[in-house]
Amino acid sequence: DGGITQSPKYLFRKEGQNVTLSCEQNLNHDAMYWYRQDPGQGLRLIYYSQIVNDFQKGDIAEGYSVSREKKESFPLTVTSAQKNPTAFYLCATSRQVNQPQHFGDGTRLSIL
Amino acid sequence: GIQVEQSPPDLILQEGANSTLRCNFSDSVNNLQWFHQNPWGQLINLFYIPSGTKQNGRLSATTVATERYSLLYISSSQTTDSGVYFCAVETGGFKTIFGAGTRLFVKA
Repeated sequence: DGGITQSPKYLFRKEGQNVTLSCEQNLNHDAMYWYRQDPGQGLRLIYYSQIVNDFQKGDIAEGYSVSREKKESFPLTVTSAQKNPTAFYLCATSRQVNQPQHFGDGTRLSIL
Repeated sequence: GIQVEQSPPDLILQEGANSTLRCNFSDSVNNLQWFHQNPWGQLINLFYIPSGTKQNGRLSATTVATERYSLLYISSSQTTDSGVYFCAVETGGFKTIFGAGTRLFVKA
């Protein structure tokens, strides 16, 4: 969706490295979300943030970390503790929680 | 936790045909959304529909919250409708749970 920028589109990681995926929005939305999608499957919630300086774990938070220091930004770090990080990562925003969500174009992460 | 089941898992249509996709959920939810994911992976929000019926062009959706299901209707399908349709529900803890999706292919 317009107004939500994810970068990079493709990312390659060596074993043991941490990598950070960027999600920036100019929609003035309070809530932001990170999802993981594996091939042929639905999306699974990693973390979400209702407001600046607050975030909550989703269903698959192990091996991931986030921060929400600015309203516009919600970066996701995939740590070396995530044993199977190869996936499609999608960021979403909504005006508030319990409101329609809109998605960025995603980042495809692969292990070298 | 709450279970979200979508049916059918796969659907092939001839252009111009109509179809109905179903989403069942196992517990009460705060809201329900329908999304379309195109072949390039982009997700578009089609409907935010915790209850009732909404229409947007050739698409319409109905959610019957008391019976824990939602239906997405596609009329006069076009090749550009191809992709995966997801339903997603939001629970009381503001967590969003996605179904596994219905994969639609519309033949010209």
